[in-house]
Amino acid sequence: DAKTTQPTSMDCAEGRAANLPCNHSTISGNEYVYWYRQIHSQGPQYIIHGLKNNETNEMASLIITEDRKSSTLILPHATLRDTAVYYCIVRVGDNYGQNFVFGPGTRLSVLP
Amino acid sequence: DSGVTQTPKHLITATGQRVTLRCSPRSGDLSVYWYQQSLDQGLQFLIQYYNGEERAKGNILERFSAQQFPDLHSELNLSSLELGDSALYFCASSGGGSGGAKNIQYFGAGTRLSVL
Repeated sequence: DAKTTQPTSMDCAEGRAANLPCNHSTISGNEYVYWYRQIHSQGPQYIIHGLKNNETNEMASLIITEDRKSSTLILPHATLRDTAVYYCIVRVGDNYGQNFVFGPGTRLSVLP
Repeated sequence: DSGVTQTPKHLITATGQRVTLRCSPRSGDLSVYWYQQSLDQGLQFLIQYYNGEERAKGNILERFSAQQFPDLHSELNLSSLELGDSALYFCASSGGGSGGAKNIQYFGAGTRLSVL
Protein backbone atom coordinates (compact mmCIF):
# COMPACT_ATOMS: atom_id res chain seq x y z
CA ASP A 1 0.00 0.00 0.00
CA ALA A 2 1.08 3.52 -0.71
CA LYS A 3 2.52 5.27 2.32
CA THR A 4 1.20 8.62 1.15
CA THR A 5 -2.21 10.20 0.58
CA GLN A 6 -2.96 12.89 -1.98
CA PRO A 7 -6.10 14.59 -3.27
CA THR A 8 -7.52 12.85 -6.31
CA SER A 9 -7.60 15.91 -8.53
CA MET A 10 -6.92 19.64 -8.61
CA ASP A 11 -7.37 22.47 -11.06
CA CYS A 12 -5.08 25.42 -11.49
CA ALA A 13 -5.25 28.48 -13.73
CA GLU A 14 -2.44 28.89 -16.21
CA GLY A 15 0.25 31.23 -14.88
CA ARG A 16 -0.77 30.73 -11.27
CA ALA A 17 1.04 28.67 -8.67
CA ALA A 18 -0.08 25.08 -8.27
CA ASN A 19 0.22 23.76 -4.73
CA LEU A 20 -0.08 19.99 -4.46
CA PRO A 21 -0.31 18.59 -0.92
CA CYS A 22 0.73 15.16 0.32
CA ASN A 23 0.38 13.44 3.67
CA HIS A 24 3.05 10.95 4.72
CA SER A 25 2.41 10.64 8.45
CA THR A 26 4.22 7.30 8.83
CA ILE A 27 7.47 8.43 7.24
CA SER A 28 10.55 7.37 9.17
CA GLY A 29 13.23 9.77 10.26
CA ASN A 30 15.71 9.09 7.49
CA GLU A 31 13.36 8.58 4.56
CA TYR A 32 13.16 11.04 1.73
CA VAL A 33 10.00 12.20 -0.01
CA TYR A 34 10.10 11.99 -3.80
CA TRP A 35 7.81 13.69 -6.29
CA TYR A 36 7.21 12.46 -9.81
CA ARG A 37 4.75 13.30 -12.53
CA GLN A 38 3.35 11.35 -15.43
CA ILE A 39 2.11 13.13 -18.49
CA HIS A 40 -0.46 11.00 -20.30
CA SER A 41 1.15 7.56 -20.76
CA GLN A 42 4.76 8.70 -20.75
CA GLY A 43 7.26 7.35 -18.25
CA PRO A 44 7.10 8.97 -14.81
CA GLN A 45 9.36 12.00 -14.61
CA TYR A 46 11.36 12.84 -11.51
CA ILE A 47 10.65 16.32 -10.17
CA ILE A 48 12.26 16.82 -6.79
CA HIS A 49 13.02 15.15 -3.48
CA GLY A 50 13.62 16.26 0.08
CA LEU A 51 14.35 15.06 3.60
CA LYS A 52 13.47 17.87 6.00
CA ASN A 53 14.59 21.14 4.49
CA ASN A 54 12.71 22.95 1.82
CA GLU A 55 14.10 22.31 -1.63
CA THR A 56 13.96 24.15 -4.94
CA ASN A 57 15.11 23.25 -8.40
CA GLU A 58 14.36 24.43 -11.91
CA MET A 59 11.07 22.56 -11.99
CA ALA A 60 9.49 23.09 -8.60
CA SER A 61 9.78 23.80 -4.90
CA LEU A 62 9.16 21.34 -2.11
CA ILE A 63 7.98 22.45 1.30
CA ILE A 64 8.20 19.84 4.07
CA THR A 65 6.55 20.47 7.42
CA GLU A 66 8.73 20.49 10.51
CA ASP A 67 7.22 17.23 11.78
CA ARG A 68 7.78 15.75 8.27
CA LYS A 69 4.27 14.34 8.18
CA SER A 70 3.28 16.28 5.11
CA SER A 71 4.72 18.17 2.19
CA THR A 72 3.61 20.46 -0.62
CA LEU A 73 4.92 20.55 -4.15
CA ILE A 74 4.77 24.00 -5.66
CA LEU A 75 4.83 24.70 -9.38
CA PRO A 76 5.32 28.48 -9.28
CA HIS A 77 3.87 29.39 -12.68
CA ALA A 78 1.84 26.50 -14.01
CA THR A 79 1.58 26.05 -17.78
CA LEU A 80 -0.69 23.84 -19.84
CA ARG A 81 2.21 21.42 -20.21
CA ASP A 82 2.16 20.84 -16.45
CA THR A 83 -1.16 19.00 -16.78
CA ALA A 84 -0.29 15.54 -15.47
CA VAL A 85 -0.71 13.08 -12.63
CA TYR A 86 1.59 13.98 -9.75
CA TYR A 87 2.85 11.31 -7.38
CA CYS A 88 4.24 11.83 -3.90
CA ILE A 89 6.30 8.78 -2.90
CA VAL A 90 8.16 7.50 0.10
CA ARG A 91 10.58 4.70 -0.65
CA VAL A 92 9.69 1.21 0.57
CA GLY A 93 12.47 -1.11 1.64
CA ASP A 94 16.06 -0.54 2.66
CA ASN A 95 19.45 -0.12 1.11
CA TYR A 96 19.47 -3.79 0.09
CA GLY A 97 16.22 -3.88 -1.85
CA GLN A 98 13.70 -1.15 -2.40
CA ASN A 99 11.00 0.18 -4.64
CA PHE A 100 8.54 3.00 -4.98
CA VAL A 101 4.86 2.40 -4.24
CA PHE A 102 2.80 4.58 -6.52
CA GLY A 103 -0.61 5.55 -5.25
CA PRO A 104 -3.29 7.06 -7.49
CA GLY A 105 -1.58 10.48 -7.31
CA THR A 106 -3.19 13.86 -7.94
CA ARG A 107 -4.46 14.63 -11.41
CA LEU A 108 -3.58 18.29 -11.98
CA SER A 109 -5.43 20.09 -14.73
CA VAL A 110 -3.99 23.44 -15.73
CA LEU A 111 -6.75 25.51 -17.29
CA PRO A 112 -6.27 28.31 -19.84
CA ASP B 1 15.44 12.20 -22.03
CA SER B 2 15.94 10.13 -18.88
CA GLY B 3 18.81 8.09 -20.29
CA VAL B 4 16.88 4.84 -19.82
CA THR B 5 16.14 3.04 -23.08
CA GLN B 6 13.36 0.52 -23.51
CA THR B 7 12.67 -1.59 -26.55
CA PRO B 8 10.41 -2.23 -28.28
CA LYS B 9 8.05 0.73 -27.90
CA HIS B 10 5.05 -1.32 -28.94
CA LEU B 11 4.40 -5.03 -28.99
CA ILE B 12 1.31 -6.80 -30.26
CA THR B 13 0.99 -10.51 -29.69
CA ALA B 14 -1.53 -13.25 -29.12
CA THR B 15 -2.64 -15.05 -26.01
CA GLY B 16 -0.38 -17.90 -24.99
CA GLN B 17 2.70 -16.34 -26.54
CA ARG B 18 5.96 -15.28 -24.91
CA VAL B 19 7.65 -11.91 -25.25
CA THR B 20 10.82 -10.25 -24.04
CA LEU B 21 11.09 -6.61 -23.08
CA ARG B 22 14.50 -5.00 -22.92
CA CYS B 23 15.86 -2.17 -20.82
CA SER B 24 19.18 -0.36 -20.89
CA PRO B 25 19.75 1.67 -17.71
CA ARG B 26 21.42 5.05 -17.42
CA SER B 27 25.17 4.91 -17.64
CA GLY B 28 26.59 3.97 -14.27
CA ASP B 29 23.30 2.94 -12.66
CA LEU B 30 23.48 -0.49 -11.08
CA SER B 31 19.82 -0.90 -10.08
CA VAL B 32 17.05 -1.68 -12.52
CA TYR B 33 13.35 -1.79 -11.67
CA TRP B 34 10.37 -3.04 -13.62
CA TYR B 35 6.84 -1.67 -13.23
CA GLN B 36 3.53 -2.56 -14.85
CA GLN B 37 0.82 -0.01 -15.51
CA SER B 38 -2.59 -1.19 -16.60
CA LEU B 39 -5.69 0.94 -16.89
CA ASP B 40 -7.29 -0.23 -13.69
CA GLN B 41 -4.24 -0.85 -11.53
CA GLY B 42 -1.97 2.15 -11.72
CA LEU B 43 1.80 1.68 -11.53
CA GLN B 44 2.69 -1.63 -9.89
CA PHE B 45 6.22 -2.58 -8.90
CA LEU B 46 7.33 -5.94 -10.27
CA ILE B 47 10.99 -6.52 -9.47
CA GLN B 48 14.34 -4.89 -8.74
CA TYR B 49 17.82 -6.03 -9.73
CA TYR B 50 21.09 -4.63 -8.47
CA ASN B 51 24.27 -5.46 -10.35
CA GLY B 52 22.82 -8.73 -11.59
CA GLU B 53 21.25 -9.81 -8.32
CA GLU B 54 17.54 -9.83 -7.55
CA ARG B 55 16.94 -7.49 -4.60
CA ALA B 56 13.23 -6.86 -4.25
CA LYS B 57 10.09 -8.44 -5.58
CA GLY B 58 6.59 -7.09 -5.90
CA ASN B 59 3.46 -8.79 -7.13
CA ILE B 60 5.17 -10.35 -10.11
CA LEU B 61 3.35 -13.32 -11.61
CA GLU B 62 5.11 -16.68 -11.86
CA ARG B 63 4.67 -16.44 -15.64
CA PHE B 64 6.92 -13.38 -15.59
CA SER B 65 10.64 -13.44 -15.01
CA ALA B 66 13.48 -11.00 -15.29
CA GLN B 67 17.22 -10.89 -15.28
CA GLN B 68 20.02 -8.37 -15.35
CA PHE B 69 23.07 -9.12 -17.42
CA PRO B 70 26.76 -8.32 -16.74
CA ASP B 71 26.52 -5.26 -18.97
CA LEU B 72 23.65 -4.16 -16.64
CA HIS B 73 20.90 -4.24 -19.22
CA SER B 74 17.80 -6.09 -18.12
CA GLU B 75 15.12 -8.18 -19.76
CA LEU B 76 11.60 -8.89 -18.60
CA ASN B 77 10.17 -12.13 -19.96
CA LEU B 78 6.42 -12.58 -20.07
CA SER B 79 5.09 -16.02 -20.97
CA SER B 80 1.72 -17.71 -21.47
CA LEU B 81 0.33 -14.28 -22.11
CA GLU B 82 -3.25 -13.48 -21.21
CA LEU B 83 -5.50 -10.63 -22.26
CA GLY B 84 -5.05 -9.08 -18.82
CA ASP B 85 -1.32 -8.73 -19.35
CA SER B 86 -1.96 -5.90 -21.80
CA ALA B 87 -0.36 -2.90 -20.16
CA LEU B 88 2.48 -0.43 -20.22
CA TYR B 89 5.69 -1.85 -18.84
CA PHE B 90 8.22 0.63 -17.50
CA CYS B 91 11.82 0.14 -16.60
CA ALA B 92 13.65 2.49 -14.26
CA SER B 93 17.21 2.72 -13.06
CA SER B 94 18.96 4.32 -10.12
CA GLY B 95 22.33 4.39 -8.45
CA GLY B 96 24.17 7.63 -8.94
CA GLY B 97 24.61 10.40 -6.42
CA SER B 98 24.48 10.34 -2.64
CA GLY B 99 21.86 10.58 0.06
CA GLY B 100 18.38 10.71 -1.37
CA ALA B 101 19.71 11.27 -4.88
CA LYS B 102 21.05 7.73 -5.16
CA ASN B 103 17.51 6.38 -4.88
CA ILE B 104 16.01 8.59 -7.57
CA GLN B 105 14.54 6.29 -10.18
CA TYR B 106 14.74 7.44 -13.77
CA PHE B 107 12.09 5.90 -15.98
CA GLY B 108 12.17 4.85 -19.58
CA ALA B 109 9.42 5.65 -22.07
CA GLY B 110 7.88 2.22 -21.61
CA THR B 111 6.80 -0.69 -23.77
CA ARG B 112 3.12 -0.90 -24.63
CA LEU B 113 2.09 -4.54 -24.77
CA SER B 114 -1.17 -5.50 -26.42
CA VAL B 115 -2.28 -9.11 -26.08
CA LEU B 116 -5.03 -10.01 -28.55
